Amino acid sequence: AQKVTQAQTEISVVEKEDVTLDCVYETRDTTYYLFWYKQPPSGELVFLIRRNSFDEQNEISGRYSWNFQKSTSSFNFTITASQVVDSAVYFCALSEAGDYGGATNKLIFGTGTLLAVQP
Amino acid sequence: GAVVSQHPSWVICKSGTSVKIECRSLDFQATTMFWYRQFPKQSLMLMATSNEGSKATYEQGVEKDKFLINHASLTLSTLTVTSAHPEDSSFYICSARNLKASGRLGEQFFGPGTRLTVL
Repeated sequence: AQKVTQAQTEISVVEKEDVTLDCVYETRDTTYYLFWYKQPPSGELVFLIRRNSFDEQNEISGRYSWNFQKSTSSFNFTITASQVVDSAVYFCALSEAGDYGGATNKLIFGTGTLLAVQP
Repeated sequence: GAVVSQHPSWVICKSGTSVKIECRSLDFQATTMFWYRQFPKQSLMLMATSNEGSKATYEQGVEKDKFLINHASLTLSTLTVTSAHPEDSSFYICSARNLKASGRLGEQFFGPGTRLTVL
């Protein structure tokens, strides 16, 4: 069965601090996709990144970086120099593979991590 | 590109009434649409997957007679909550994808969500 675990329920940091959000996944598939989404208070999900299981290269996008380690089944997300606007719930998600992301492309979401960045 | 809208953004109704929520892909054809439900401070749970022109596939535990899904065209899917009760109050989010597209267009794009409150 597929499962995504985000052990950190809530994290509070002060602006400009770095923060890492953890994500651990379980799947029997050899090909799969991992995602991170941001959900601000407005509720709308914002796509941040997609990574396939064959690409273990770490990625950096501005203040955001992701560390994918298949050996530990983890896909952690780091925000450098956090800002108040980063305050949101962050979800890690996993989808089965198949024809481009899966015949049904079901997304299995973790329980989310609420990040509060204090000024 | 790849914009998904939902209407209404919020709705309050009396117990026993039915509520229809629309999900539209504005600038692409959605061969598949997904409906998620999110209770306060919880994760997104997939309710059902619908493919254009065919019956929806419901996840275990979701009552198909209570949550009617119609995916009549490549740009519109509707979710009708029949005889709504207070326990149906939730945030309903749809997503859409085009199975025939490649690259990021083949991914799921999320709508802004509909907040349903049943009194």
